[in-house]
Amino acid sequence: GEDVEQSLFLSVREGDSSVINCTYTDSSSTYLYWYKQEPGAGLQLLTYIFSNMDMKQDQRLTVLLNKKDKHLSLRIADTQTGDSAIYFCAESIRGGSYIPTFGRGTSLIVHP
Amino acid sequence: SAVISQKPSRDICQRGTSLTIQCQVDSQVTMMFWYRQQPGQSLTLIATANQGSEATYESGFVIDKFPISRPNLTFSTLTVSNMSPEDSSIYLCSGSLNTEAFFGQGTRLTVV
Repeated sequence: GEDVEQSLFLSVREGDSSVINCTYTDSSSTYLYWYKQEPGAGLQLLTYIFSNMDMKQDQRLTVLLNKKDKHLSLRIADTQTGDSAIYFCAESIRGGSYIPTFGRGTSLIVHP
Repeated sequence: SAVISQKPSRDICQRGTSLTIQCQVDSQVTMMFWYRQQPGQSLTLIATANQGSEATYESGFVIDKFPISRPNLTFSTLTVSNMSPEDSSIYLCSGSLNTEAFFGQGTRLTVV
């Protein structure tokens, strides 16, 4: 299987919360990242969490890490149409290099 | 953070020709990388661009097909050589600063 797995699609209503899930396989992951890719654009680093943390909050974004289950989630509160994009989960497993390995991305669709 | 500029942003090329993509970072980054993102797929690491020496290629990628230069800390080029339609993809430059990796907006390449 893939090193980082995500569901491919998520559809939510504007104003609701979105939760995007990710699982990874390498227990030696040091940093876990969430990137956002809007149509025709590059990747924007949204947030990241160090593996010794279990939660990180940044405005509307909440990252939860369950290291035992190797599960990472991104919660977006009060989702807006501008949040529609592809969200990539990534892990870095190469000590000292922090080269991220990416999942296939979750396409978030926000509808009125 | 680092701002990464890539050019061209898109191109349509004839098979058998080569295209060189340029990547400029606005600040000194520790490492620079090149990724490929095929339609509907995740990002695949092509190589790590090493300053002043040969790039380090990932499995499945070779220097003859994807020659890379990095003459200084803030600039790198990727050439896609002898192109075929299978090379149609988005090519992304990335630079890492400490634990964070930043991306350019990508070059959308179509080979006809």
